[in-house]
Amino acid sequence: NAGVTQTPKFQVLKTGQSMTLQCAQDMNHEYMSWYRQDPGMGLRLIHYSVGAGITDQGEVPNGYNVSRSTTEDFPLRLLSAAPSQTSVYFCASSPREAGSSYEQYFGPGTRLTVT
Amino acid sequence: GDSVTQMEGPVTLSEEAFLTINCTYTATGYPSLFWYVQYPGEGLQLLLKATKADDKGSNKGFEATYRKETTSFHLEKGSVQVSDSAVYFCALRGTGGFKTIFGAGTRLFVKA
Repeated sequence: NAGVTQTPKFQVLKTGQSMTLQCAQDMNHEYMSWYRQDPGMGLRLIHYSVGAGITDQGEVPNGYNVSRSTTEDFPLRLLSAAPSQTSVYFCASSPREAGSSYEQYFGPGTRLTVT
Repeated sequence: GDSVTQMEGPVTLSEEAFLTINCTYTATGYPSLFWYVQYPGEGLQLLLKATKADDKGSNKGFEATYRKETTSFHLEKGSVQVSDSAVYFCALRGTGGFKTIFGAGTRLFVKA
């Protein structure tokens, strides 16, 4: 199993550009999440999904869109990049099982710089 | 709402020293508690977990005990190695959902 994969690893955008961060998992996990990591602030939840076709907002959703057409894929779209979106982005998945503690499996991250 | 507070870093130790990283939480009910570790340039990975009061999670020589009376989940290791240098995150998952709240992270440096 590849686990959770993310592409690209690094990206530089100009203000106003749009792009999609890709995330895929091969563990058949129902739950998936996108986080951003900023110095001194830990991880903040952007959007999450509890299954194909179902998404919801997290703590910091503004400026981002998501969709979940399949169990495996959960792309994150930046609509019009701003310097405040410079961050490291992590995708994570979690199994939905009876009695599960919902521990999360993380991808390697995408480092995004907006100039 | 639910929250996690962990000690600020960085923490710098010599090899074989004893490690404690404090973590306290605020939550209703009985959350599940986790420690995740992030090595340089990588994503987070689960280090250990505890799902009910008085449970002790352990892995790779690290331990943490779920203390409901003090709402704490402190991470300890008796003898750290250079390879333990990383950022450590305390986290909780509240009852009634799968969303996880993370602390700000504590960076650990271990010197040879």
